[in-house]
Amino acid sequence: GEDVEQSLFLSVREGDSSVINCTYTDSSSTYLYWYKQEPGAGLQLLTYIFSNMDMKQDQRLTVLLNKKDKHLSLRIADTQTGDSAIYFCAESIRPWVNQGGKLIFGQGTELSVKP
Amino acid sequence: DGGITQSPKYLFRKEGQNVTLSCEQNLNHDAMYWYRQDPGQGLRLIYYSQIVNDFQKGDIAEGYSVSREKKESFPLTVTSAQKNPTAFYLCASSIRGTDEQYFGPGTRLTVT
Repeated sequence: GEDVEQSLFLSVREGDSSVINCTYTDSSSTYLYWYKQEPGAGLQLLTYIFSNMDMKQDQRLTVLLNKKDKHLSLRIADTQTGDSAIYFCAESIRPWVNQGGKLIFGQGTELSVKP
Repeated sequence: DGGITQSPKYLFRKEGQNVTLSCEQNLNHDAMYWYRQDPGQGLRLIYYSQIVNDFQKGDIAEGYSVSREKKESFPLTVTSAQKNPTAFYLCASSIRGTDEQYFGPGTRLTVT
């Protein structure tokens, strides 16, 4: 079945790097996404990686994908207090031809950045 | 500015009442989605619609209903049949045929 797993909490010091990990189960996933949710708000799309890529870098964000192990990670360099939020990974699956896919979300990792 | 709006931000209802949550988008997206979020859990898909006048059940549709009469609007009704309706509800939209979903700010529903 489809399942996405994340650890629930991560605490880092300001200026350190944060690494948020995610495992997924559906090997046919086309895209994998990272979303950020600040308290009481909707989800903001941070970045995504296509399943045939190993790595994608976007300013302070680096996404690594190990397709063999079905493991995805998000690294935030020079973490700031404004990065404190819940981070969700999501895999896309497409059970229907020519239709938009379903996103399966992990439980979210709450990142706490201490000054 | 293009975006997705959900109203109201907070909603309170008595048990046994139906309540409708609004979702409007001006992104010209064909597809729209409703999710439910509970503490410590990921988002769970309630209903989605790929095109006007068509919608499908998601993973937890029981006790909910939707309509899609206009491209811009996808209201969700939480009926009295929903056993545990208190939650944070998120609406999203995407270009049809893609997975990149954009989210609204959410509505927190409390039923007592």
